[in-house]
Amino acid sequence: DVKVTQSSRYLVKRTGEKVFLECVQDMDHENMFWYRQDPGLGLRLIYFSYDVKMKEKGDIPEGYSVSREKKERFSLILESASTNQTSMYLCASSLPFKGQRETQYFGPGTRLLVL
Amino acid sequence: AQSVTQLGSHVSVSEGALVLLRCNYSSSVPPYLFWYVQYPNQGLQLLLKYTTGATLVKGINGFEAEFKKSETSFHLTKPSAHMSDAAEYFCAVSDRERGQGAQKLVFGQGTRLTINP
Repeated sequence: DVKVTQSSRYLVKRTGEKVFLECVQDMDHENMFWYRQDPGLGLRLIYFSYDVKMKEKGDIPEGYSVSREKKERFSLILESASTNQTSMYLCASSLPFKGQRETQYFGPGTRLLVL
Repeated sequence: AQSVTQLGSHVSVSEGALVLLRCNYSSSVPPYLFWYVQYPNQGLQLLLKYTTGATLVKGINGFEAEFKKSETSFHLTKPSAHMSDAAEYFCAVSDRERGQGAQKLVFGQGTRLTINP
């Protein structure tokens, strides 16, 4: 089974702090994604990566950056946390598009509270 | 650009009744369509997906969905609801315009399903 793990389930940070959210997958997937989930808005894509050191902006990249130094690990960085970044953050991974093999597998999520 | 609309943010049904969760999509290319389920305090789990071929897709836990191109819909159904079906359900469409590399998903707003005993 594919396993996607996230470093923390719950996190409380102060405004202005630099925050790191870590995601690790164990299935050698090329693609990795970071979403935030807010009530009534569904999931919105922040950033994604299709290879080591490669990244692309999603729909809401402002205030975030990412790092992918190893294939299995994808980090989301909040350079200076703000209260409007309080949210649930979900990581996902998938194989490259080859017809059928594009299902995204999700981690359990990190619920971040910024005070 | 793709988009997804889920009709009804909350749906409540009685145990044993039909479950119908509605999803309409917009896509400029033939879509890949997905339904994911999220149980409380968990990540998303794939229920089923449509890529090509048969338009009626069967998934896990007795759910199925039918792709109707003429109606741009991909509604999720289950003949008889169970208490364990209580969760949030997300419909998503895949960006197939990229020939290779990462296929982005565009999600709907989600529908919270409540099952009444």
